[in-house]
Amino acid sequence: GQNIDQPTEMTATEGAIVQINCTYQTSGFNGLFWYQQHAGEAPTFLSYNVLDGLEEKGRFSSFLSRSKGYSYLLLKELQMKDSASYLCAVMDSNYQLIWGAGTKLIIKP
Amino acid sequence: NAGVTQTPKFRVLKTGQSMTLLCAQDMNHEYMYWYRQDPGMGLRLIHYSVGEGTTAKGEVPDGYNVSRLKKQNFLLGLESAAPSQTSVYFCASTQLDTGELFFGEGSRLTVL
Repeated sequence: GQNIDQPTEMTATEGAIVQINCTYQTSGFNGLFWYQQHAGEAPTFLSYNVLDGLEEKGRFSSFLSRSKGYSYLLLKELQMKDSASYLCAVMDSNYQLIWGAGTKLIIKP
Repeated sequence: NAGVTQTPKFRVLKTGQSMTLLCAQDMNHEYMYWYRQDPGMGLRLIHYSVGEGTTAKGEVPDGYNVSRLKKQNFLLGLESAAPSQTSVYFCASTQLDTGELFFGEGSRLTVL
């Protein structure tokens, strides 16, 4: 079956760096997405990786290793507003998105 | 620019009642999706559409029907609501099948 694994919850300190991991097993691969979802709100797009390597976008970076079925989202200079759930999703060979359950990130002052 | 709009935002139903959720997008996107989100689970695809007049089943289609009569609208119907359909429903759209999704604000449905 298809599976996306990510930690349920993580805690970090304001100003620090945090890495949220995502491992996947899917039928084929057509890209990996990260979305941010604040409580009670809709998910919003953060990043898309289809080739191996690191994609940097401001304070957020996303890494992909297709051979290992692994990605991570790196958040630098954490701010209180970064408290949210982070959703990992993989597009399979049928161009269907398979979603992880999300990682709830708690930022403490 | 409204993006993706869902109505209603909240609804309480009794078991057996029917209702329709409306999703409207003003970005001229081809692809539209209905997801449900439940605690501790990833988003699950109910139905989707790859263009006006087309619909297809997703991962959890039972108990739901959809229609895409106009390109900008995607309707999700519950024929006979059950408590198991209590959830938050999200509509999303995208122009490309590999593109980022734009989500509506969500519709919180409770079935008693």
